[in-house]
Amino acid sequence: NAGVTQTPKFQVLKTGQSMTLQCAQDMNHNSMYWYRQDPGMGLRLIYYSASEGTTDKGEVPNGYNVSRLNKREFSLRLESAAPSQTSVYFCASSGFQPQHFGDGTRLSIL
Amino acid sequence: GQQVMQIPQYQHVQEGEDFTTYCNSSTTLSNIQWYKQRPGGHPVFLIQLVKSGEVKKQKRLTFQFGEAKKNSSLHITATQTTDVGTYFCAGPRQAGGTSYGKLTFGQGTILTVHP
Repeated sequence: NAGVTQTPKFQVLKTGQSMTLQCAQDMNHNSMYWYRQDPGMGLRLIYYSASEGTTDKGEVPNGYNVSRLNKREFSLRLESAAPSQTSVYFCASSGFQPQHFGDGTRLSIL
Repeated sequence: GQQVMQIPQYQHVQEGEDFTTYCNSSTTLSNIQWYKQRPGGHPVFLIQLVKSGEVKKQKRLTFQFGEAKKNSSLHITATQTTDVGTYFCAGPRQAGGTSYGKLTFGQGTILTVHP
């Protein structure tokens, strides 16, 4: 029972490069989320998807795009990475249960 | 917009001492959730409180939800080294929001326990 799986676990990018963070859940949850975690800032919501085919902006959406590919998968894309996007990114999912988090992606932008 | 504040930001205790973290919301919450994140790990759900004045216990952990449903606390009795981590409170982002929809997280309290 994998729960929420995120790939990659670690990534280093140069400023201006693009990349996609992948997330998949096997709990049949409708809702999925992307957060970033920075020291002293807690977890801040980047984007949210209430169901397949719908997405919504969170607190800090600038510089990011998302795709809810199907019920299982929710990806986060950085089109042109900036040093301010250095962070730990968590994907989460929920249905009629509390949020379940993946192990995170540690992303550094040089 | 809605804000959820947690204090203290850091707490260092000797093993066996008690620990408390406090959470305050700028708006009335329909419920409040608590999560624990071990160092290097991901947040894990601990508990949800729904009723005004509710108190719930999990072994050495006691959770309270304020009468006005705007504040909450987590108290750990006789801390152990396994309690190390960051404790977050979180409330629904919208008034009357569903229990498990979008959440606003507090900044977290980082607990270190010295053996």
